[in-house]
Amino acid sequence: DSGVTQTPKHLITATGQRVTLRCSPRSGDLSVYWYQQSLDQGLQFLIQYYNGEERAKGNILERFSAQQFPDLHSELNLSSLELGDSALYFCASSPWTGHYEQYFGPGTRLTVT
Amino acid sequence: DAKTTQPPSMDCAEGRAANLPCNHSTISGNEYVYWYRQIHSQGPQYIIHGLKNNETNEMASLIITEDRKSSTLILPHATLRDTAVYYCIVRVLNTGNQFYFGTGTSLTVIP
Repeated sequence: DSGVTQTPKHLITATGQRVTLRCSPRSGDLSVYWYQQSLDQGLQFLIQYYNGEERAKGNILERFSAQQFPDLHSELNLSSLELGDSALYFCASSPWTGHYEQYFGPGTRLTVT
Repeated sequence: DAKTTQPPSMDCAEGRAANLPCNHSTISGNEYVYWYRQIHSQGPQYIIHGLKNNETNEMASLIITEDRKSSTLILPHATLRDTAVYYCIVRVLNTGNQFYFGTGTSLTVIP
């Protein structure tokens, strides 16, 4: 158990819909990262927040957005969903940016039908 | 960040040492080598990291060649629970944000 929690564990929704994935980092960790893992793309970095502020962006689509709240939990919002958005979405946390270890949550499996 | 090359798959007999190679010929002087693993759709898990000296912890050993162009992760006594995808990543320590995970090596430990 990494100490990072993600909800929900599974999510099934239809194309065109919007969903919100939630992540609670390890106690004391200020940095939160979101990754997407699909069968054909592997594990891809989406976005990072540090203490409430966006720190880095990766291959995140404009239909996707995220935020980190004052209590340090983070939400990833996915809108206008397409079949290709079906994937595992992982959240990871670390004490600070660049720390050698990122602690990954169990992931949210999103299925778009 | 430098690119890494790993074999797509490997097998190892249970109880034997698993040696997973990684090439990073374009690594720069301040880039560390990190190893993570992912067990069947779980979140990736940190294993070990190092700069140029060999490193050992309770999970594994990391051997980095003198020219730093390649490294080997050693699991000394592989168990069935070590079956996973192993990712070798190079990154500057304490800078940069995300890890870039490549395709990794799928290790299967055989009973």
